[in-house]
Amino acid sequence: DAGVIQSPRHEVTEMGQEVTLRCKPISGHNSLFWYRQTMMRGLELLIYFNNNVPIDDSGMPEDRFSAKMPNASFSTLKIQPSEPRDSAVYFCASSFSGSSSYNSPLHFGNGTRLTVT
Amino acid sequence: KQEVTQIPAALSVPEGENLVLNCSFTDSAIYNLQWFRQDPGKGLTSLLLIQSSQREQTSGRLNASLDKSSGRSTLYIAASQPGDSATYLCAVRPPSNTGKLIFGQGTTLQVKP
Repeated sequence: DAGVIQSPRHEVTEMGQEVTLRCKPISGHNSLFWYRQTMMRGLELLIYFNNNVPIDDSGMPEDRFSAKMPNASFSTLKIQPSEPRDSAVYFCASSFSGSSSYNSPLHFGNGTRLTVT
Repeated sequence: KQEVTQIPAALSVPEGENLVLNCSFTDSAIYNLQWFRQDPGKGLTSLLLIQSSQREQTSGRLNASLDKSSGRSTLYIAASQPGDSATYLCAVRPPSNTGKLIFGQGTTLQVKP
């Protein structure tokens, strides 16, 4: 089991540039989550997908943020244009959610550390 | 709105000591509660998951308890070791079928040799 795979591990970009973060969930998992972690605000849920469908994007801070899940094995989080206040660690996590496996633990990737200058 | 609080924010203990980390939540309607560990520069690793119908779960030197009615959970670490130094987060899962979790801010533990 390779776990949740995120890329890149680190991203440094200039304000105004587009940033794309990528995630490959654990095979067989049907729920995918994007979290953002900062010292000030802790761990915040941005958006989550169930069976590739966005269920709740109320945590997405602004229209500059968008997320897609074109298939069960890939998701992207895009920021366009990026701003210095977007600097944070972005985590992707996955789990299996179903009537018979309701309480599947959440598995996290190692995160992407984004710095916007 | 469900809120999760962890106290203390930081804790430093000598090696070998037993310790308790606290987690409280405002809405007792939860499906489960998870404890995670986060090492610097890493993602979160699930330690224990307690279902709403359970009172506790144990794994090695770790024991987590759940009291839904009072909105509390504790993580007990026995015979602490320097390798236990990390940030510990608890998260509750509200009633839903999608697995969304609500996290506390975490307790950063330092175990001194």
